[in-house]
Amino acid sequence: GAGVSQSPSNKVTEKGKDVELRCDPISGHTALYWYRQSLGQGLEFLIYFQGNSAPDKSGLPSDRFSAERTGGSVSTLTIQRTQQEDSAVYLCASSLGSGTSNQPQHFGDGTRLSIL
Amino acid sequence: QKEVEQNSGPLSVPEGAIASLNCTYSDRGSQSFFWYRQYSGKSPELIMFIYSNGDKEDGRFTAQLNKASQYVSLLIRDSQPSDSATYLCAVSGSQGNLIFGKGTKLSVKP
Repeated sequence: GAGVSQSPSNKVTEKGKDVELRCDPISGHTALYWYRQSLGQGLEFLIYFQGNSAPDKSGLPSDRFSAERTGGSVSTLTIQRTQQEDSAVYLCASSLGSGTSNQPQHFGDGTRLSIL
Repeated sequence: QKEVEQNSGPLSVPEGAIASLNCTYSDRGSQSFFWYRQYSGKSPELIMFIYSNGDKEDGRFTAQLNKASQYVSLLIRDSQPSDSATYLCAVSGSQGNLIFGKGTKLSVKP
């Protein structure tokens, strides 16, 4: 497919477990973003990758959250020792990066994470 | 704290009418403005973007930007029941990200 691909689409796990979410951006898009959306809430920015540059991690809510992007393409978002407040839809977006946010971002279908 | 404000709605309009969705933002330095549509249980879908003051039209959609008033709006002409969704306003942030409003829920009644 030509769009942003995220996996898994749904993840249910027990509190305290680690989870890994994956995002494959649109081919040719150098910028990749992670957001999360809690029920009935707006989108909260988590982290931004531009090409192979070091990411801007300032939006990550705690040190339990980390993300990496290998080879400037696929990204994984890892949440360690999950808590119930981590339950949300995690959305990945990509854009033709130019070092600015002028380019439209296109979203994947998201991963719905539920912490029991 | 940079903010984007939208009326949560619901905004209800009859089929065929014009729906007007509004958004204000706090950061005067913002350069790029986007409207996304989000159906229930789905991810946001880009429908319009605007960078310059004035109007930008695309089919039934018109985006309007007034940087002096820090105001951006979306008009949907000839509204259809399929337009019923939550509309998210997003503004460029200084970190390369987008800052989203919480969205306005639009309901188009047949």
